[in-house]
Amino acid sequence: ETGVTQSPTHLIKTRGQQVTLRCSSQSGHNTVSWYQQALGQGPQFIFQYYREEENGRGNFPPRFSGLQFPNYSSELNVNALELDDSALYLCASSIDRGNEQFFGPGTRLTVL
Amino acid sequence: DAKTTQPTSMDCAEGRAANLPCNHSTISGNEYVYWYRQIHSQGPQYIIHGLKNNETNEMASLIITEDRKSSTLILPHATLRDTAVYYCIVRVASPLGGATNKLIFGTGTLLAVQP
Repeated sequence: ETGVTQSPTHLIKTRGQQVTLRCSSQSGHNTVSWYQQALGQGPQFIFQYYREEENGRGNFPPRFSGLQFPNYSSELNVNALELDDSALYLCASSIDRGNEQFFGPGTRLTVL
Repeated sequence: DAKTTQPTSMDCAEGRAANLPCNHSTISGNEYVYWYRQIHSQGPQYIIHGLKNNETNEMASLIITEDRKSSTLILPHATLRDTAVYYCIVRVASPLGGATNKLIFGTGTLLAVQP
């Protein structure tokens, strides 16, 4: 059974650019959640996708957007990057919304 | 905001039991206690969860007080590889009406296992 995978592992962008991060959910999982983790902090919830629909959003501006595909993989898009967007971005998948979430290794984004 | 309170850090000798406390005095009747851990720069790893009965799996044991206002995660024989940040989270297991079932992380407890 393949776990949650994320790509790329690391990414460096400059302020104002746009970025797309990708997540492949664990086999059989139809729910994907995205989290942002700044250095020294716990992960913060960005949004969740359940069966291709957004199913809740945290306190993040609209320039953070996402997609979930029919195979339940997902993308996180961030427009107009700011220095404070530098963080570890984590994707977690679960079987439906109520079950334990399994995390990928994360994508480390650095904005210069 | 996180609904749990944990000590910032703890030490444990290798081979001894590590007991990590968590306070969740405002927990609701339908909320479970979940534990995750995060080894440096990796994604959080699910450990265990419970509602009111004590739970045990291959990784750890979870002891929840009778009033459910606090719990303790026990790693029976800590190894150096157990050094990580441990997060205690309260969460509704089955959201009603399509509600989002997000995890709200606090800052966790940094467990340092010493040789």
